Amino acid sequence: NAGVTQTPKFQVLKTGQSMTLQCAQDMNHEYMSWYRQDPGMGLRLIHYSVGAGITDQGEVPNGYNVSRSTTEDFPLRLLSAAPSQTSVYFCASSPNVGDRGLSNQPQHFGDGTRLSIL
Amino acid sequence: GEDVEQSLFLSVREGDSSVINCTYTDSSSTYLYWYKQEPGAGLQLLTYIFSNMDMKQDQRLTVLLNKKDKHLSLRIADTQTGDSAIYFCASGGYNKLIFGAGTRLAVHP
Repeated sequence: NAGVTQTPKFQVLKTGQSMTLQCAQDMNHEYMSWYRQDPGMGLRLIHYSVGAGITDQGEVPNGYNVSRSTTEDFPLRLLSAAPSQTSVYFCASSPNVGDRGLSNQPQHFGDGTRLSIL
Repeated sequence: GEDVEQSLFLSVREGDSSVINCTYTDSSSTYLYWYKQEPGAGLQLLTYIFSNMDMKQDQRLTVLLNKKDKHLSLRIADTQTGDSAIYFCASGGYNKLIFGAGTRLAVHP
């Protein structure tokens, strides 16, 4: 019953450092995504993937990279951390991709990674 | 671009009904969702409605959809202190969810 697992739960970085936020799901979901949550702004999509080997940009992709080498894992990489990337990051997955790539299934969220950039 | 708007704060008395409202702009949304977030936690899917439905009821939760006005509401009957949280409305767009900023529900005795 693991669902969507995110690690680490908390992280503090210095400006310019790089790191990888991990996300894994054990539900064999095709669709995975990364969001960031900032106060008063809801969640904004960073990157998403509709299957292994396929990724695409969301609303706010700059400064982040992703890869999807397996169905289970969807890591998010910060290339050179900036204070503006201080946020709470959520990974989500959903079972399958419908016609024309629509993700029309309810998404399951991880518990989040709280990231502070000093 | 696509947008979802909702009021930021709602305060209700324990035992009363809560109604959280949301408007969206994407008329092609297949599903519309309500998520709940408790402090320090992730998002929990509460309920969702298919875009060709007008209403969905699930125990204390009632979702109403006015597709013509692009208006979605969530009614919580007999609101309890455990319902205190942030509630997010989201519309299902092409390969993504578009979230509102969240409505903070405060329940007082």
